[in-house]
Amino acid sequence: DVKVTQSSRYLVKRTGEKVFLECVQDMDHENMFWYRQDPGLGLRLIYFSYDVKMKEKGDIPEGYSVSREKKERFSLILESASTNQTSMYLCASRSEGQPQHFGDGTRLSIL
Amino acid sequence: KQEVTQIPAALSVPEGENLVLNCSFTDSAIYNLQWFRQDPGKGLTSLLLIQSSQREQTSGRLNASLDKSSGRSTLYIAASQPGDSATYLCAVRRPSTGFQKLVFGTGTRLLVSP
Repeated sequence: DVKVTQSSRYLVKRTGEKVFLECVQDMDHENMFWYRQDPGLGLRLIYFSYDVKMKEKGDIPEGYSVSREKKERFSLILESASTNQTSMYLCASRSEGQPQHFGDGTRLSIL
Repeated sequence: KQEVTQIPAALSVPEGENLVLNCSFTDSAIYNLQWFRQDPGKGLTSLLLIQSSQREQTSGRLNASLDKSSGRSTLYIAASQPGDSATYLCAVRRPSTGFQKLVFGTGTRLLVSP
């Protein structure tokens, strides 16, 4: 069965901290994604990756970076966390032409 | 620019009813369309994927249809149960010369009461 695992369900950090969100998939998918979800704004794509060490900006990349050193792992990095980055973060993966699968999400609070 | 709309935003029905959720998209040139459900505080669970060449897909009590020419998809849920209560999202994959990204609707929040 498909499995996308996000390392934390809940995370509380302070303004200015560097924050790492980790995502691992076990389906050997080429493509991986990071979204944030906010009430009234829906899901917005932050970054995606279509191969190891490859990354592309999504619709709202400002304030974020990503790392994909191995095929199964895609990390989202908040370089200097700010309160407006408090949100639900969702990781997803897929192979081309196949359904996209999501993790359970990380609810991040920046104080 | 592709826009995806889901109406109604919320729906409440008694257990046992058959119901239809609607999804509309502005650009009919899509690659495929996917329906998801999301439980409160959780991630998205994939329900059905319809390729652009298909008219419908079925899984158990769920049936999704696609009419590209009119820019519409429907998700039919038969004999609804309280466990079906969740937010349902549709997403279209737009074709492009490069990477194909999903465009999500804002969802329909479904409540099925016993």
